[in-house]
Amino acid sequence: AQSVTQLGSHVSVSEGALVLLRCNYSSSVPPYLFWYVQYPNQGLQLLLKYTSAATLVKGINGFEAEFKKSETSFHLTKPSAHMRDAAEYFCAVKRETSGSRLTFGEGTQLTVNP
Amino acid sequence: DSGVTQTPKHLITATGQRVTLRCSPRSGDLSVYWYQQSLDQGLQFLIQYYNGEERAKGNILERFSAQQFPDLHSELNLSSLELGDSALYFCASSPGWGTGELFFGEGSRLTVL
Repeated sequence: AQSVTQLGSHVSVSEGALVLLRCNYSSSVPPYLFWYVQYPNQGLQLLLKYTSAATLVKGINGFEAEFKKSETSFHLTKPSAHMRDAAEYFCAVKRETSGSRLTFGEGTQLTVNP
Repeated sequence: DSGVTQTPKHLITATGQRVTLRCSPRSGDLSVYWYQQSLDQGLQFLIQYYNGEERAKGNILERFSAQQFPDLHSELNLSSLELGDSALYFCASSPGWGTGELFFGEGSRLTVL
């Protein structure tokens, strides 16, 4: 079964610092990978998705993620954190035949300190 | 605003009771997904519908059932409620079959006392 593992349930950075949220996937076939963000008291929102077109994927709000097959990783980065980036971030994977049914990681809570 | 509407936003009930959660997908979206979010289990996929037909089941208990109606809204029925059913229940809809892009509602927070 396909799955994703997020390393670090909590990440804390200073405003203006680099954001790095880690995600590793387990898949026997090329996966479809996603990052979603959940702001307090809201539903999840798509940040970006990888569908094999390009290994570096740019998303909304200045986030990007790089697919590295050799490392089975899909880490999320942002060069400079803003206070508004404080949220929970979820990595997710889907099978080609599963429609849009996603399997989510455990989530990483990002705190941005002033 | 994702365009997905869930009601009620909050629900407090007692063990043994039955509740119904309702979801209206975005206009034009044929697919509806239900997820349960809890602190100990994270986000768990429950069930998936496409144009009124059940397409997949995940970790959905036998006490739970769902359906998607001809107007594409969906309902999740939870019965014989237990304390452990307390969670945030999300509905999401998708514009296509396999895009992976889910639009989530704000969720229905269920508290079982």
